[in-house]
Amino acid sequence: AQSVTQLGSHVSVSEGALVLLRCNYSSSVPPYLFWYVQYPNQGLQLLLKYTSAATLVKGINGFEAEFKKSETSFHLTKPSAHMSDAAEYFCAVISGGSNYKLTFGKGTLLTVNP
Amino acid sequence: ETGVTQTPRHLVMGMTNKKSLKCEQHLGHNAMYWYKQSAKKPLELMFVYSLEERVENNSVPSRFSPECPNSSHLFLHLHTLQPEDSALYLCASSQVRGMVNTEAFFGQGTRLTVV
Repeated sequence: AQSVTQLGSHVSVSEGALVLLRCNYSSSVPPYLFWYVQYPNQGLQLLLKYTSAATLVKGINGFEAEFKKSETSFHLTKPSAHMSDAAEYFCAVISGGSNYKLTFGKGTLLTVNP
Repeated sequence: ETGVTQTPRHLVMGMTNKKSLKCEQHLGHNAMYWYKQSAKKPLELMFVYSLEERVENNSVPSRFSPECPNSSHLFLHLHTLQPEDSALYLCASSQVRGMVNTEAFFGQGTRLTVV
């Protein structure tokens, strides 16, 4: 069965600091991996995705993530946080078996301090 | 309009009411989903439709009844709900080709409050 673990339900950074949101996955077959962002009272917006091409994936708003098979990780980073990055971030996985089932992590709330 | 549109954005209903949530996608996708997002809980997949046929139902109570009349529209009919059903209900769509599924695109959600 596939699963996703996001380490840290809440991450707080200063404006201009590095953002690192952690995601580890469990999958019996090569996965597709995604990061989504959710602003208050909004739906989820896709930030970036990994679909077995390049292991370093660049997304919108300056975010990127690196797929590391040996560590079963797909951590999200941004070199310099902006106030507008404050939101909840979800890591998700689709893998073999049921290709319809997008399994989400519990989410990480990012706050950015001035 | 583009993307995935959900109506209404907010809904307050009594436990004896019957209401419906509507979702429409303008992306030409062939799969649609209902998710439930409650406070402090992970996103829960409720229903999946592919080519208008239900392919997955994750043990959702019968007071939630989905309907997919065509590939662009998805409904969630609600009746005799409980207060614990209060949540943000998210609709999504994606394109599935064989075993390959693209990313899901989400609507803005319907904030449901059961009183």
